[in-house]
Amino acid sequence: DTGVSQDPRHKITKRGQNVTFRCDPISEHNRLYWYRQTLGQGPEFLTYFQNEAQLEKSRLLSDRFSAERPKGSFSTLEIQRTEQGDSAMYLCASSLAEGWDTEAFFGQGTRLTVV
Amino acid sequence: RKEVEQDPGPFNVPEGATVAFNCTYSNSASQSFFWYRQDCRKEPKLLMSVYSSGNEDGRFTAQLNRASQYISLLIRDSKLSDSATYLCVVRYGGYQKVTFGIGTKLQVIP
Repeated sequence: DTGVSQDPRHKITKRGQNVTFRCDPISEHNRLYWYRQTLGQGPEFLTYFQNEAQLEKSRLLSDRFSAERPKGSFSTLEIQRTEQGDSAMYLCASSLAEGWDTEAFFGQGTRLTVV
Repeated sequence: RKEVEQDPGPFNVPEGATVAFNCTYSNSASQSFFWYRQDCRKEPKLLMSVYSSGNEDGRFTAQLNRASQYISLLIRDSKLSDSATYLCVVRYGGYQKVTFGIGTKLQVIP
């Protein structure tokens, strides 16, 4: 499968625990985006990378959230001290250098439930 | 005012009907426009880009009205398989992120 893959697909965690999600983009894509989607809403931008550089972060990305893309390939999104409000689908997308004006592809997402 | 606004629906239409969705955007510096389709509990997928002159892809027609700051999606001869949520997506000039609307839910009924 040469699409964007995300792991895990589902995560249930207790409030206060830390969680980490992984995204593997399409191999030739150097742009990688993280979005969050809650029920009944459209995806909301969190952050994006060009290669290993994190170029933009949303105000939604509080200090409990951190994202990395250490070698410009896969990326991780970590949430520390999870809260119930963090429950959402976390979507990763990747694209070529031209960004969204070429086609961006999403992974199937990681669904986080904080109990 | 939200950056990208859509009527969440649902739009319930019979098979074979024509249905149209509108989406308005607030930033006049918006540069690129797209419609994405999202099936229930699945990831969004690009349906079509929207060009200034309007564009068509089979039963789907997208139009852009920069003066009024809205884009539209027309679906002709609706199929059961068209049932999904349609997300309006806008990219502002100079930025690489895109902003999604809330999505419009379409249910095509036999």
